Amino acid sequence: GNSVTQMEGPVTLSEEAFLTINCTYTATGYPSLFWYVQYPGEGLQLLLKATKADDKGSNKGFEATYRKETTSFHLEKGSVQVSDSAVYFCASLSGGSYIPTFGRGTSLIVHP
Amino acid sequence: ETGVTQTPRHLVMGMTNKKSLKCEQHLGHNAMYWYKQSAKKPLELMFVYSLEERVENNSVPSRFSPECPNSSHLFLHLHTLQPEDSALYLCASSPGEYERSGYTFGSGTRLTVV
Repeated sequence: GNSVTQMEGPVTLSEEAFLTINCTYTATGYPSLFWYVQYPGEGLQLLLKATKADDKGSNKGFEATYRKETTSFHLEKGSVQVSDSAVYFCASLSGGSYIPTFGRGTSLIVHP
Repeated sequence: ETGVTQTPRHLVMGMTNKKSLKCEQHLGHNAMYWYKQSAKKPLELMFVYSLEERVENNSVPSRFSPECPNSSHLFLHLHTLQPEDSALYLCASSPGEYERSGYTFGSGTRLTVV
């Protein structure tokens, strides 16, 4: 079956540090890939997505590239802010399916 | 405003109570979903509705009863819950069943069963 694996958190960084959150997937065919963010006390929000190999999704300074050869979709940001503290979820959606597979989430804590 | 509104935001109920969670979307989406989010556990899909018909029911106990009267509204009726049902219940919507644009989530209802 499909699966999404994320690095375990929490990831703790100082403000302006570089962020990488790893995500790898297993799926049949060529899934669409997503990153969602969940701020404290809120639901998940779609952060960015990519629908085919080599696509780069980007939003709010975050970006992730769909790497078919390594089945990965790592989330990166060049300079994190305290306001980026949240839980980040990677997800995949295979063709012919309407239900995404979510990773377990990675908590990010950014200190001033 | 996310476009998906859930009420109430917080709910405390006894094990013998009956309550309902409400979800409303104004995005013109055709599919709606209930998820359960518990601490230290992955997101659990509970129910999927597409064009007001239930298309998925992931072995959820019968004490949870969904209702989708139209494509804009989704309810989760609760009765005789257990303390382990305490969790954040998230509603989501998407344009269609096979839409790849992603979900829009509500802010959730934090449920505590005492």
